[in-house]
Amino acid sequence: QLQLQESGPGLVKPSETLSLTCTVSGGSISSNNPYYWGWIRQPPGRGLELIGTIYYTGNTYNNPSLKSRVIISVDSSKTQFSLKLHSMTAADTAVYYCAKGDFYSMDVWGKGTTVTVSS
Amino acid sequence: QSALTQPPSASGSPGQSVTISCTGTRSDVGSYNRVAWYQQHPGKAPKLMIYDVSQRPPGVPDRFSGSKSGNTASLTVSGLQAEDEADYYCSSYAGSNNLVFGGGTKVTVL
Repeated sequence: QLQLQESGPGLVKPSETLSLTCTVSGGSISSNNPYYWGWIRQPPGRGLELIGTIYYTGNTYNNPSLKSRVIISVDSSKTQFSLKLHSMTAADTAVYYCAKGDFYSMDVWGKGTTVTVSS
Repeated sequence: QSALTQPPSASGSPGQSVTISCTGTRSDVGSYNRVAWYQQHPGKAPKLMIYDVSQRPPGVPDRFSGSKSGNTASLTVSGLQAEDEADYYCSSYAGSNNLVFGGGTKVTVL
C-alpha cells in the first residue's frame, strides 16, 4: 500500500526558493506504478490548488499560473519526488501536500506540511 | 477566486440527504467527465470520495454519489452521519493538462 510523506522547511524567507520532498513508501515511481505524482497546496482557510504533477516517465504538467516558478522532479532512487518553487512570497504560505493518482483525481495523499513565508 | 463555484455551506440532520453543487464552465465541467470530490476533516489531508463524476474508490460508502448535468456537478450524501461533517471540494479537468478546484463547501450535520 503506497504511502506518501512530505518533508522540508517550515519557514522560507521572501524571494527564496522552497524545496520540498515527498517520500514514497510501499512502492516506487516507475512503470510498476504508472501514476501521476503531484503537489497540491492549500492556503490558510482556503481551497486547494494544483501546483503540478509528474508522470513516472518524467513528463511534468504545471499549473499555468505558477508554471515559470515550479520545478518538479523525481529522485534517482525513484522513491522520492520533489518540488522547487522559486521567488516565494507571503501568498505562497500554505499547507503543501504531495499526492498520487491518475492526473484527474488523487487517491493517495501525504499528511501535508505547513510552509510559512516570512522574513 | 476558485475556478469552480461551490456553496460555502450546506447542512442536514442525521439520516437526511445533502447535495453540494460544483459549477464550472463548458471549458471544464461541461466538457469532461473528469470531476472528482474530496472530503477533508479539520487538520487532515483530503480524501478522494468520487472520481470520474460518479465512481467511488474502494472503501467509500455508497451513501456518497456523484452526478453531472451540463456545467454543474453534484455530490449527494445520503443518510447523513456525524462523521460526514467536513469540508468537501470538487475538482475538474480543464484541458491543456490543467486541473481546477472549487472553493469548498462546509457540510454541517445538525
